[in-house]
Amino acid sequence: KAGVTQTPRYLIKTRGQQVTLSCSPISGHRSVSWYQQTPGQGLQFLFEYFSETQRNKGNFPGRFSGRQFSNSRSEMNVSTLELGDSALYLCASSPAGGGGYEQYFGPGTRLTVT
Amino acid sequence: QKEVEQNSGPLSVPEGAIASLNCTYSDRGSQSFFWYRQYSGKSPELIMFIYSNGDKEDGRFTAQLNKASQYVSLLIRDSQPSDSATYLCAVNTGFQKLVFGTGTRLLVSP
Repeated sequence: KAGVTQTPRYLIKTRGQQVTLSCSPISGHRSVSWYQQTPGQGLQFLFEYFSETQRNKGNFPGRFSGRQFSNSRSEMNVSTLELGDSALYLCASSPAGGGGYEQYFGPGTRLTVT
Repeated sequence: QKEVEQNSGPLSVPEGAIASLNCTYSDRGSQSFFWYRQYSGKSPELIMFIYSNGDKEDGRFTAQLNKASQYVSLLIRDSQPSDSATYLCAVNTGFQKLVFGTGTRLLVSP
């Protein structure tokens, strides 16, 4: 099976702009989770989607949002970018439910805000 | 108190030795536990998961879980230089929310 794919892999944006990141999960996986990784804060949970519904959300401001489509692909959006949003954004897919709870990460999108 | 705690290391072991990585967690209701390996500049790679008390072995890796003590560990037997990486302990706190420790950096010297 193909792994989790994320696009784009690298992105440079200016403060105040918005950005959309995309994630395609492993075929058959219905759960997609998003994480932010920074040197200072480590890996932090943003949100999780299952069957197009957000089931869980981390402690991030409302500028961070996401959605999931009927084919399980997911996007996350960050509006009004701040310098502190520079990070590696990772998505992870999981069968969830009876299929297992293991999460498999994609390669990530490296976002730099200038 | 942090939800998931790991010693940041580095943990240095010679090639061929056993590396022992430890993790404690605070949420007694947690049911599933994961170990990820992350090489510099790469994304985390799942290497072990464990849901029940006791030991789980997969090749050179053994995960150990003690829910009463809220303790998870990872043993790497016959450590190789290619095992040098940061090892992240993660705990599922509900609806696929993984809480990660800060990671332990492992250095395996030839």
